[in-house]
Amino acid sequence: EAGVAQSPRYKIIEKRQSVAFWCNPISGHATLYWYQQILGQGPKLLIQFQNNGVVDDSQLPKDRFSAERLKGVDSTLKIQPAKLEDSAVYLCASSLELQEYNEQFFGPGTRLTVL
Amino acid sequence: KQEVTQIPAALSVPEGENLVLNCSFTDSAIYNLQWFRQDPGKGLTSLLLIQSSQREQTSGRLNASLDKSSGRSTLYIAASQPGDSATYLCATRGSQGNLIFGKGTKLSVKP
Repeated sequence: EAGVAQSPRYKIIEKRQSVAFWCNPISGHATLYWYQQILGQGPKLLIQFQNNGVVDDSQLPKDRFSAERLKGVDSTLKIQPAKLEDSAVYLCASSLELQEYNEQFFGPGTRLTVL
Repeated sequence: KQEVTQIPAALSVPEGENLVLNCSFTDSAIYNLQWFRQDPGKGLTSLLLIQSSQREQTSGRLNASLDKSSGRSTLYIAASQPGDSATYLCATRGSQGNLIFGKGTKLSVKP
């Protein structure tokens, strides 16, 4: 079974530029998550989708971050404009459903460096 | 608001030693608790998931326990190997489905 795919793996940009990350979840997984992991910290949820609807985006900085999951499969996370403090690893995860016993599976992440 | 704490932040042990990693959480109303492994520059690999109704889970040399009433979980690694060197993260899952993570314990197993 193929895992969660993410691209690109690495991205270096200057502050105020824009960047987009892509995630393809495990086939059949209805729930998709984006997490931000700053160096030395645990991952923090940014946004959670159930199919193509948003379940929780309370910690997403909406003035600069946006995300979509247009056909309930792939998802894109965008930052515009980027700030220095956005330097982090962005992790995508998926699970079968939004039920409490469903395990989350993580992709390899995209490491973003903002200069 | 749930807070997850992991102690110690870093641990170095000689190969072959048994060890325990600790995880504590402030809100006992969790659905499950998951232990992950993270290698440098890589994503998270799920090791063990303990449902709120369970007390422990085992996989190979790993054993995780859960005590909801005291807000604690431990990950026991038997006969540690250099290949076990990584950062270990615990995370609780709440009603919304998202995971709340600790900062992790960085484990180094010396040959």
